Amino acid sequence: NAGVTQTPKFQVLKTGQSMTLQCAQDMNHEYMSWYRQDPGMGLRLIHYSVGAGITDQGEVPNGYNVSRSTTEDFPLRLLSAAPSQTSVYFCASRPGQMNTEAFFGQGTRLTVV
Amino acid sequence: GQQLNQSPQSMFIQEGEDVSMNCTSSSIFNTWLWYKQDPGEGPVLLIALYKAGELTSNGRLTAQFGITRKDSFLNISASIPSDVGIYFCAGGSGTYKYIFGTGTRLKVLA
Repeated sequence: NAGVTQTPKFQVLKTGQSMTLQCAQDMNHEYMSWYRQDPGMGLRLIHYSVGAGITDQGEVPNGYNVSRSTTEDFPLRLLSAAPSQTSVYFCASRPGQMNTEAFFGQGTRLTVV
Repeated sequence: GQQLNQSPQSMFIQEGEDVSMNCTSSSIFNTWLWYKQDPGEGPVLLIALYKAGELTSNGRLTAQFGITRKDSFLNISASIPSDVGIYFCAGGSGTYKYIFGTGTRLKVLA
């Protein structure tokens, strides 16, 4: 089973560039989330989705957009990358909102120069 | 934003020793989770706790949900080299969102 798949694994962007981080899960989970991980800090929630067509903001949403057109995919878009967005990004999924956050992707390490 | 305090931040131990770490918060949580993260990988869920006072084991790992609901503890018995990594706690509340700790980095000396 693939679980939660994130692409790319590494990315370097120039300030002002845009890009999309991909996340796909094959477990038919309704709930998906994006987190960022910075040194010395815990994972922080960027955006989440409780099902196809429904998204909402987390703790640190500024500078990021998401959409959820299918159950399987939950892409994260950076509209105009800034050095402050240098981080490791993790996508997670779980069966429903009330379930434990149990399934994480391997992460995307993003550097903005 | 709110974060959980984990202690210690890092620790070196000898293989075979027992390890204890904890996670504290100023807020009450309904769920406590413990994860392990290896370099270049995502967090892997080790133990989930759902009730104050609950004590749950997973092999050599044992975790407890604090009575006050503001803390949780993880113990690793008889550590081995593959236990090296970063251990994270996370607290969940009625909003179904999780607050993550800052991590405890464990290094095991063979």
